[in-house]
Amino acid sequence: DGGITQSPKYLFRKEGQNVTLSCEQNLNHDAMYWYRQDPGQGLRLIYYSQIVNDFQKGDIAEGYSVSREKKESFPLTVTSAQKNPTAFYLCASTEGSVETQYFGPGTRLLVL
Amino acid sequence: GDSVTQMEGPVTLSEEAFLTINCTYTATGYPSLFWYVQYPGEGLQLLLKATKADDKGSNKGFEATYRKETTSFHLEKGSVQVSDSAVYFCALNLMFSGGYNKLIFGAGTRLAVHP
Repeated sequence: DGGITQSPKYLFRKEGQNVTLSCEQNLNHDAMYWYRQDPGQGLRLIYYSQIVNDFQKGDIAEGYSVSREKKESFPLTVTSAQKNPTAFYLCASTEGSVETQYFGPGTRLLVL
Repeated sequence: GDSVTQMEGPVTLSEEAFLTINCTYTATGYPSLFWYVQYPGEGLQLLLKATKADDKGSNKGFEATYRKETTSFHLEKGSVQVSDSAVYFCALNLMFSGGYNKLIFGAGTRLAVHP
């Protein structure tokens, strides 16, 4: 079955530590996105990538970094510069200029 | 700027009641409009969409009509079930040159349906 997988489901970060969230898709989609969801709020765009080896900052990119070395993979690193990282992180993808975004199951990041 | 406003939740209903979740938007031009649903602990799933004025999106008994004159996209269902309990997000899609799409989300409305 085609879809988007995110791992781990839960992730714990210690102070000053960088952590990386995985996002993999086998839908052959060109564009991929990372969103952050806080309780009672909508989703906010962190980074997006339209093609391999290219990515752009979204609305809240500070404290985060990404890479896009392969079409199917778009990992997100939450750096120590992100002072409030506790949130639910969602990865999404779209096919070309098609508008509908498909979402992964999410990773919940907690700070120890 | 472009934005989406949804009615605040939680919305609590008894099974088989009629559901309306209000959604209004502000946007330049005529964006496509979406409803996504999020079940507890999961990602978002597309529920329905409409791409132009007067279009009606429908799926699983849910409906929403793109109303340009009132800039609204209210979600309705005639008879809700306990399994409809979830958070519902209204969103609009902005398209940029080069094929890049950006979704603008509302804050979400939690629906709780009781037997």
